[in-house]
This record gives sequence, C-alpha cells and structure tokens, in this order.
Amino acid sequence: LAKTTQPISMDSYEGQEVNITCSHNNIATNDYITWYQQFPSQGPRFIIQGYKTKVTNEVASLFIPADRKSSTLSLPRVSLSDTAVYYCLVGDRTGFQKLVFGTGTRLLVSP
Amino acid sequence: DAGVTQSPTHLIKTRGQHVTLRCSPISGHKSVSWYQQVLGQGPQFIFQYYEKEERGRGNFPDRFSARQFPNYSSELNVNALLLGDSALYLCASSLGSSSSYEQYFGPGTRLTVT
Repeated sequence: LAKTTQPISMDSYEGQEVNITCSHNNIATNDYITWYQQFPSQGPRFIIQGYKTKVTNEVASLFIPADRKSSTLSLPRVSLSDTAVYYCLVGDRTGFQKLVFGTGTRLLVSP
Repeated sequence: DAGVTQSPTHLIKTRGQHVTLRCSPISGHKSVSWYQQVLGQGPQFIFQYYEKEERGRGNFPDRFSARQFPNYSSELNVNALLLGDSALYLCASSLGSSSSYEQYFGPGTRLTVT
C-alpha cells in the first residue's frame, strides 16, 4: 500500500486559494489518488479523484505531475466553511481496503 | 433522497459486552464498507461487503464481524468489547465495489466502552 505524507495543518484566510500537497513516493502504476474532506463529527466526503495531469470539478482541482510521486489539491477562494480535515488516499481500484486514510491535513480558514 | 443512515447514533457499553451497529446504504448502492475512527486519527478500514459477500477485511481481530443483508443493509458486530474499541464507527456505501466509485459516508455511531 502506498504511504502518503501530508502537512499536519495549514492556515488560510477567506478568499485565498489553498494548495495542499501530498507526497506518495511509492505509488504503483495502477494506483489512483483520491481526496476526502471531513468536518467534525461527520463522515468523510469525497472531493476528487485522479490518475495523472489535472482533474477539475465544481469543488476543487487536483494536480498530478508526470512522475505521480506527489499530488496537490487546490481549493479556490476558500471560505470559513472549508475549515476541515483533508485526506489524501492512494490505492488501486480493486476495493476500498486499498484506500488508507492517514491523519490528514487540518485546514483552518480565518476571516 | 436519504443518505447513508446508521443506528444508533451513540452507544455506551461495558467491557466484555457485545455490540451490533447497523447501516442502511443509499438506495441502489450495493457496496457497504465499515471504518473505525479514533479521535485525532483518520478512519481505519474494517470490512467491505458487496452483493452480500465480503470483499475486503482490514487489520482487525476476529472479535469484529459483519454481514450484509439481501436489501444491502449491513451490521457490524463486535464481541468482547475492550476500552480501545471506543471510537466513531462509520459506514459508507457506493454503487460498486471498485474504489473508482464515489463513497458516501454516514454520520457514524459513537461507541463508548467503559
């Protein structure tokens, strides 16, 4: 299972763009990169998933360089409600057992 | 449409007792996974069931077991409870068994073992 490393915490202000980078040096050829968001006392919520280059949806963008040894979740113009824990997961698509949650990145957005 | 529902929301048990947690997936979802989340940590995978068959098992002792019913709802059973089993237990459902499918989590069951 590919191990991921993320910053423990990040601080930002409303309206700023936030980039959270995840390192996954031993990512395998069949592995995908998935990001989840979790608010206190709630279950995680899927944000985005990608394999290479760039993926964008209505919530975020995911940038994956050619070597795929890292990925960056980009949140445009954050608001106070984006304060949460963000998890980077790496695994193949055979099942959810392969997607391992680490300790995540605690993002605090201030006014 | 209702999301993933779990019952009960909170539970207090004594060491050595048994507990059953229940999960109802989103309508049409055939895969259910269970996770344990200890305070300050990310969720840890316990089981995945798809079409009533176990598709994955995490690194948990045999005291933990689960099953999925014909209506795709699921139960997680934990025997001989230990203090260390105190955690938030999360259930998640998805359309298929592959992690290419988006996984939807329920609000969890907070289990306290005293």
